[in-house]
Amino acid sequence: SQTIHQWPATLVQPVGSPLSLECTVEGTSNPNLYWYRQAAGRGLQLLFYSVGIGQISSEVPQNLSASRPQDRQFILSSKKLLLSDSGFYLCAWSVRGGSPTANTEAFFGQGTRLTVV
Amino acid sequence: KNQVEQSPQSLIILEGKNCTLQCNYTVSPFSNLRWYKQDTGRGPVSLTIMTFSENTKSNGRYTATLDADTKQSSLHITASQLSDSASYICVVSRLNTDKLIFGTGTRLQVFP
Repeated sequence: SQTIHQWPATLVQPVGSPLSLECTVEGTSNPNLYWYRQAAGRGLQLLFYSVGIGQISSEVPQNLSASRPQDRQFILSSKKLLLSDSGFYLCAWSVRGGSPTANTEAFFGQGTRLTVV
Repeated sequence: KNQVEQSPQSLIILEGKNCTLQCNYTVSPFSNLRWYKQDTGRGPVSLTIMTFSENTKSNGRYTATLDADTKQSSLHITASQLSDSASYICVVSRLNTDKLIFGTGTRLQVFP
């Protein structure tokens, strides 16, 4: 069965410090991978998605970057965190196939609660 | 603009009662619509997924409907339980893309 791991679960970082959140998927190959952010009381906002190793699409300009060094590994990074980077970050994967179809869905990790102080 | 709007923003009901959550979307071309349940501090978990040709789909006490003509969906929860307290998120996919467009969710609280 497929599983998705995301860590850490919670993180408190000072402004200006670097960030690295990691997400790995097991039990599937060539997945689509996603990073989402959920601000308090807001919906999920797509930050990055990847359809393959080294292929990253950015949805919104921001202080963050993403990398996919391996097929089932997706990393969210920042060189210098801002207060506005605080939020709940979710990694997700879906079956590669060109588009989400009726037989596929997105599976989410448990999230990382990031607080920038 | 491709958007998904949900109502109400929040809802409080008593245990055992039924409720209905609404989702309107302007996403085009439409591929499918999903309802997710998100417990506080956790990742969303899929409840149902429907394509253009499906009008209704059930998952236990959850029943989702879809009217692709009016671009509306609803999620009906029957005989609510305390464990139903969560945020319910409507998600719509555009055809031929790998991106999901999320609504802001409805926060449901079930009280005893």
